[in-house]
Amino acid sequence: DSGVTQTPKHLITATGQRVTLRCSPRSGDLSVYWYQQSLDQGLQFLIQYYNGEERAKGNILERFSAQQFPDLHSELNLSSLELGDSALYFCASSVEGGRFLSYNEQFFGPGTRLTVL
Amino acid sequence: GESVGLHLPTLSVQEGDNSIINCAYSNSASDYFIWYKQESGKGPQFIIDIRSNMDKRQGQRVTVLLNKTVKHLSLQIAATQPGDSAVYFCAERGSNDYKLSFGAGTTVTVRA
Repeated sequence: DSGVTQTPKHLITATGQRVTLRCSPRSGDLSVYWYQQSLDQGLQFLIQYYNGEERAKGNILERFSAQQFPDLHSELNLSSLELGDSALYFCASSVEGGRFLSYNEQFFGPGTRLTVL
Repeated sequence: GESVGLHLPTLSVQEGDNSIINCAYSNSASDYFIWYKQESGKGPQFIIDIRSNMDKRQGQRVTVLLNKTVKHLSLQIAATQPGDSAVYFCAERGSNDYKLSFGAGTTVTVRA
């Protein structure tokens, strides 16, 4: 158990809908990262937040947005869903990831499996 | 032990043998390289990392080798056990970047 929790575990929805995925980082971790894992694209970095602020952005679609709240939990919002958005969405957390760049181990949650029908 | 010279999506290993998993990375400016293990139904789990100024690092039963000349990374697992069956990913991160870029993954199956 990495200490990172994600809800829900599974989500089934229809095209055009909007969903929210939730992540609670490990206690004490300030950084949260979101990744998408699909069969054809592999593991792709989406976005990172550090202590409530957006820190880095990857190949995140404009239909997707995220935020990190004062209690450090994070939500990933996916809207106008398409069939191709079906994937596993992982959240990871690390202690640092702020101003001073150094490698800090990222601990991954168990993921949310999103199925768009 | 089993070894592959190039990245292959699958690797079948006899229990007790050594495994070698290869990865080619793309960005010569990458500063950190990390190996992750992903078991079925779980998130990736950190195994070992290596910084670009090193060429070898050892952990418990695992060794990572970095060849910057040919942009190649390998993970060696000694005395492979059934619990090592998983998908293994290499990842790289730039010195001015937080995002991890993952490789395609190698599925390791351990034969009893």
